[in-house]
Amino acid sequence: AQKVTQAQTEISVVEKEDVTLDCVYETRDTTYYLFWYKQPPSGELVFLIRRNSFDEQNEISGRYSWNFQKSTSSFNFTITASQVVDSAVYFCALSEQAAGNKLTFGGGTRVLVKP
Amino acid sequence: EAGVAQSPRYKIIEKRQSVAFWCNPISGHATLYWYQQILGQGPKLLIQFQNNGVVDDSQLPKDRFSAERLKGVDSTLKIQPAKLEDSAVYLCASSLSLAGPHEQYFGPGTRLTVT
Repeated sequence: AQKVTQAQTEISVVEKEDVTLDCVYETRDTTYYLFWYKQPPSGELVFLIRRNSFDEQNEISGRYSWNFQKSTSSFNFTITASQVVDSAVYFCALSEQAAGNKLTFGGGTRVLVKP
Repeated sequence: EAGVAQSPRYKIIEKRQSVAFWCNPISGHATLYWYQQILGQGPKLLIQFQNNGVVDDSQLPKDRFSAERLKGVDSTLKIQPAKLEDSAVYLCASSLSLAGPHEQYFGPGTRLTVT
């Protein structure tokens, strides 16, 4: 069965600090996909990134970067030079090809960026 | 391009009453999902449609919840009768198709309060 664990429930930082969100997953499938979504106070989930299990290259998009390590089943997310607008709940999610690509979400990490 | 639309945005009902939520996915998206997000938790999949057929409803409490997508476009999720523990945000999402890891696009959600 697929499972996603986000051990950090809440992180508080001061603006311009870096923040790293941890995500650990469990799956028995060899083909799977990992996602990060952002949920701002408005409530709508916003897609940030998708990685497949065969591509372990790290990715950078502006102030966001992702570190995928199959050896430790982790897919961590770093926000560099955080801004107040980054305040939100961030969810890591997993989908298995064998399970019809349905998403299993972690419990989320609330990030609070203080000015 | 219009996003996923949901209505109503908020609903307050008493326990044992019934309620219905509506979702209109992104045009051309064959796959539609309903999630339940209890406060402080990640979204949990209730039901998944591919066109107008049900792909996965294993986590739908079928004694009180029902959903349909008659013409393969709009969908309705119903709860009858509601219980206190049904208080949550109900999120609708859509994606291009089941084939492949297409990202899911989420609507703003319907916040249900059962008193």
